Amino acid sequence: ETGVTQTPRHLVMGMTNKKSLKCEQHLGHNAMYWYKQSAKKPLELMFVYNFKEQTENNSVPSRFSPECPNSSHLFLHLHTLQPEDSALYLCASSQDLAGGGTDTQYFGPGTRLTVL
Amino acid sequence: GQNIDQPTEMTATEGAIVQINCTYQTSGFNGLFWYQQHAGEAPTFLSYNVLDGLEEKGRFSSFLSRSKGYSYLLLKELQMKDSASYLCAVRDSNYQLIWGAGTKLIIKP
Repeated sequence: ETGVTQTPRHLVMGMTNKKSLKCEQHLGHNAMYWYKQSAKKPLELMFVYNFKEQTENNSVPSRFSPECPNSSHLFLHLHTLQPEDSALYLCASSQDLAGGGTDTQYFGPGTRLTVL
Repeated sequence: GQNIDQPTEMTATEGAIVQINCTYQTSGFNGLFWYQQHAGEAPTFLSYNVLDGLEEKGRFSSFLSRSKGYSYLLLKELQMKDSASYLCAVRDSNYQLIWGAGTKLIIKP
């Protein structure tokens, strides 16, 4: 089983739609992350969960709503998005939130989101 | 503010050597990471440096100078499959990863 999986891989939605992105990690990690990746820009950290509890919300608009029912699953609920929200949304996990050494983040393949 | 700088794009020839630089200014330092990201795929971990010096891993090496806020990724014996974006990231004092925008590496035959 691949370490971190994301579905769907591609999503096209209108500004009035409601959709959800799903992430699942099979690595036994405790921390999970949502990132936004736009062309030629650094990865933007959106949300962080540690042991199912949200620890970080980097001023993300309320039209993005995360959900973490357990340490293996992470969702990003989307509603009334704007065209500028079109981007690649990446999920990642790591063993611990403040891990030292080589405790690094493992990424899923991402969901390519287009908002019309 | 925190900032990671790396070139936007580089071109190199198959079989050659290329060096991708990364400079950083962050609130604290708890390690520097390099990731590789092929188009349409997940970023994958390449290397980690926390002490000054060179870390070698096969055809890839990564160097760190903490006093200069500088790192580079060295790729030797370039292959076509090395065409990808290379992301530099620094773990700050809060153990958050601060990311650069990535360097797109184009390999020509």
